[in-house]
Amino acid sequence: DVVMTQSPLSLPVTLGQPASISCRSSQSLVYSDGNTYLNWFQQRPGQSPRRLIYKVSNRDSGVPDRFSGSGSGTDFTLKISRVEAEDVGVYFCMQGTHWPPTFGQGTKVEIK
Amino acid sequence: EVQLMESGGGLVQPGGSLRLSCAASGFTFSNYAMSWVRQAPGKGMEWVSAISGSGGSTYYADSVKGRFTISRDNSKNTLYLQMDSLRAEDTAVYYCSLWPEGYTPSFDYWGQGTLVTVSS
Repeated sequence: DVVMTQSPLSLPVTLGQPASISCRSSQSLVYSDGNTYLNWFQQRPGQSPRRLIYKVSNRDSGVPDRFSGSGSGTDFTLKISRVEAEDVGVYFCMQGTHWPPTFGQGTKVEIK
Repeated sequence: EVQLMESGGGLVQPGGSLRLSCAASGFTFSNYAMSWVRQAPGKGMEWVSAISGSGGSTYYADSVKGRFTISRDNSKNTLYLQMDSLRAEDTAVYYCSLWPEGYTPSFDYWGQGTLVTVSS
């Protein structure tokens, strides 16, 4: 199975400051159709997960533009340009290129 | 609006059985592959099982193969997970999720989850 490794696992951030989360895969996530199936999810405390980003850099409907995704191959990043209080929670990446789908361990974002 | 509502979780003894349900609404159920994903306490997400839109194809994680059975009733817009021979390590919140049929897994929407606790 493809191993997804996130860092850091804990990220204290000051309100209004940027935040960056790394996700690395043990194999290239480029699919045979040329797409890269790497998604990012947010799980606020006490809530179910919500997809933020699909195929590396596409924001889901309703996701604020302060969230952005980038990367290629095996190295991916989720960035929050200016952290707001509502961004507190756990963020995790997921790959859908290789079967079975696998997830990163999650990064807990908290306010300093 | 897509809505997924899991039910059926609870406390069960090791070796016991439980059947989870996921009631879906807000989309054409048969057009989507459905899946179960679990999150053990303090752990990350683990994909458990998936089923095609027609129900003709099913997939399982090695950790549950032979013990869990996924199924769906497209006339009732409901997904199921029959869990047998439960172990302590199956303790987790179980979420149902979905992606468009014929596409790679993308977990577009998630339910609120149902807690399964396996303990004597």
